[in-house]
Amino acid sequence: DVVMTQTPPSLSVAIGQSVSISCKSSQSLVHSDGKTYLNWLLQNPGQSPKRLIYQVSNLGSGVPDRFSGTGSEKDFTLKISRVEAEDLGVYHCVQATHVPHTFGAGTKLELK
Amino acid sequence: EVQLQESGPGLVKPSQSLSLTCSVTGYSITSNYWGWIRKFPGNKMEWMGYISYSGSTSYNPSLKSRISITRDTSKNQFFLQLNSVTTEDTATYYCARFGLRYWGQGTLVTVSS
Repeated sequence: DVVMTQTPPSLSVAIGQSVSISCKSSQSLVHSDGKTYLNWLLQNPGQSPKRLIYQVSNLGSGVPDRFSGTGSEKDFTLKISRVEAEDLGVYHCVQATHVPHTFGAGTKLELK
Repeated sequence: EVQLQESGPGLVKPSQSLSLTCSVTGYSITSNYWGWIRKFPGNKMEWMGYISYSGSTSYNPSLKSRISITRDTSKNQFFLQLNSVTTEDTATYYCARFGLRYWGQGTLVTVSS
C-alpha cells in the first residue's frame, strides 16, 4: 500500500495566520493517465469530510481561494492563507492513484 | 444536486455481518464510481472499496474476503456488507462518489455484544 506521511499532526494557529501542511507519499502518485490523484479534505467537527483540493492543485467547488495546493510526484503541500474560524478541524491528504486508496493520518488545526 | 445518505443498524454484534445502504439522488449510479470509506475513533480513515458504473468492484485487500459492495440500479442505491465483524470495525461509515466531491452524512456503527 502507498503510505501517506502527513505532518504536522496538529497545528495551533491564530485567526489570520497562514499555515502549511505537508504530505509525502511512499510512491509516485502520477497515474498512467498522466494525472496525479492527490486530494485534500477538511472535516469540521460533527460534519462529513469536505473536498478542498483535487488533483494536487485544483480548488474544489465553493472552496475559498485562501486554500491552495502544490506539489508533484511524492511531495505535496496544502497552504491556508489567513486562517478563519471555519477552517478549524482535521485535514487529510488522500491518494486515489493506487489501489487501495490511502489517507494521511490527519492534521488537527486548532485555535491558539 | 447530488446527495448521498447512508442507512443501516447502528449496533452489530461481534461475528455478525454489517450491512449498510447508500441512497443516491441527483445522479445515476450507472455513471461514475461509488465507494465506502470509514473513519475510526480518532482520525484514522480507511478506503474500503468501490463499485463502478458497470458494476465491477475493487476492494481494500486489508478487508480480504469479508467485504462485498453491490448495487440496485432501479433504486439508485449501493450497499456495503462486511462479514465477521469485530470491535475493530467500530467506525463511522461514509459513502462517497469517486473523486470525493460528494459524501453522505456518515453513520456510526458500533460492534459490541
